[in-house]
Amino acid sequence: AQSVTQLDSHVSVSEGTPVLLRCNYSSSYSPSLFWYVQHPNKGLQLLLKYTSAATLVKGINGFEAEFKKSETSFHLTKPSAHMSDAAEYFCVVSDAQGTYKYIFGTGTRLKVLA
Amino acid sequence: DAGVTQSPTHLIKTRGQQVTLRCSPKSGHDTVSWYQQALGQGPQFIFQYYEEEERQRGNFPDRFSGHQFPNYSSELNVNALLLGDSALYLCASSGQGGQPQHFGDGTRLSIL
Repeated sequence: AQSVTQLDSHVSVSEGTPVLLRCNYSSSYSPSLFWYVQHPNKGLQLLLKYTSAATLVKGINGFEAEFKKSETSFHLTKPSAHMSDAAEYFCVVSDAQGTYKYIFGTGTRLKVLA
Repeated sequence: DAGVTQSPTHLIKTRGQQVTLRCSPKSGHDTVSWYQQALGQGPQFIFQYYEEEERQRGNFPDRFSGHQFPNYSSELNVNALLLGDSALYLCASSGQGGQPQHFGDGTRLSIL
C-alpha cells in the first residue's frame, strides 16, 4: 500500500530565504507524486507532478522537487520565499493502477516572516 | 475555461439530517473524485465516479453515497449526519491516463 509522510507539520522561513518541505513516500511500484498548495479557505492547487520522467521536476511559482528513489523522498524546494507562499502544502502519492486515487500527507504549514 | 465548481460553499446541518453536495467538473474531464478534509488534516479519499459508476471507494461508511450524471457532474450524499462529518468536502476532476486531479474550492459542512 502507498503512503506519504510529511516530516514537518510547520516550517517558518524569512522572506527571501530558501524553502525546504520534506516528504517521504512508500510505494510498491513506481509512483506518481504531486505537491499541492492550499491557501486558507480555498481548494488545492497543483504545484508540480512527477510521473517517471525527469527526476528534477519544475513547477509553478519557482517551486521544484527532486525524486530520489534510493531515499524514497520527494522534497519540495524554492530558492527564495515570498510572503505569498504562506500556505498549507500537501505531498500526494497516486494509486497509479486503475483509479489513480490520491493519498495525501498530513500537510506542512509554511509561515513566511517579513 | 471554468475549473471545478462546487455548491454550496457553506452548509449548516443538524445531527441526523441528510445533505447533498454538488460538483461540476472541469471542461473535458470525465472522472470525479470526492475527498473529506477534517480540520488540520489532509484530504481523505471517499470515492471516485467514472462512466456514472462508483469505480473505487475509500474507508467511509455506507451513509456516504454518490452519483454521476451523463454530463459528468456529480453529487455526494451523506445520510444520518454525525458531528464528526463536519469537514471541508472537496471535489476533484480528471481526464484519463493519470492526469493530475483539479480541485474545487470545496463545501464547508458544519454539523450542530
